[in-house]
Amino acid sequence: EAGVAQSPRYKIIEKRQSVAFWCNPISGHATLYWYQQILGQGPKLLIQFQNNGVVDDSQLPKDRFSAERLKGVDSTLKIQPAKLEDSAVYLCASSLRREEEREQFFGPGTRLTVL
Amino acid sequence: QKEVEQNSGPLSVPEGAIASLNCTYSDRGSQSFFWYRQYSGKSPELIMFIYSNGDKEDGRFTAQLNKASQYVSLLIRDSQPSDSATYLCAVPRMDSNYQLIWGAGTKLIIKP
Repeated sequence: EAGVAQSPRYKIIEKRQSVAFWCNPISGHATLYWYQQILGQGPKLLIQFQNNGVVDDSQLPKDRFSAERLKGVDSTLKIQPAKLEDSAVYLCASSLRREEEREQFFGPGTRLTVL
Repeated sequence: QKEVEQNSGPLSVPEGAIASLNCTYSDRGSQSFFWYRQYSGKSPELIMFIYSNGDKEDGRFTAQLNKASQYVSLLIRDSQPSDSATYLCAVPRMDSNYQLIWGAGTKLIIKP
């Protein structure tokens, strides 16, 4: 079974530039999560999708961050314009929507550096 | 008070000894608990999942739950240098949005 795919793996941009991250979840996983992880901290949920609908985006800085999940499969997270404090690893995870199966499977992440 | 708390460490343990990692949670109604391992520069991977009906052992790993004191422990027996990583504790959010509440992780260092 193929895992969660993410690209790019690394990205360096200057502040005020734009950047986009792509995620392809495990086949059949209806729930998709985008996390931001700053060094030394646990993952912070940015947005959660159920199929192609948003379940929770309460912690997404909507003035600069946006995300979509077209057709309930792939997802894209965009930052426009980027700030220095956006430097972090952006993790995509997916899971089945079952009460007894809450394990989240993570992709390799995208390490973003904003200069 | 944070919902899920872990000592950030680092916790240094000699090779072959038992490493003990703790995680406290605030919601008394929590029923299940996840332990993820995250190697430096890598993404988290699940190593243990425990329900509230008892301890669980998987190879060198044992998860223990103390509901009265609201903490869950991860014990690693016969610690190996390859166990050096950050261990993240996660607890499902009780409103059934299939979200996990994450601790900040404990960095474990196994010294040869």
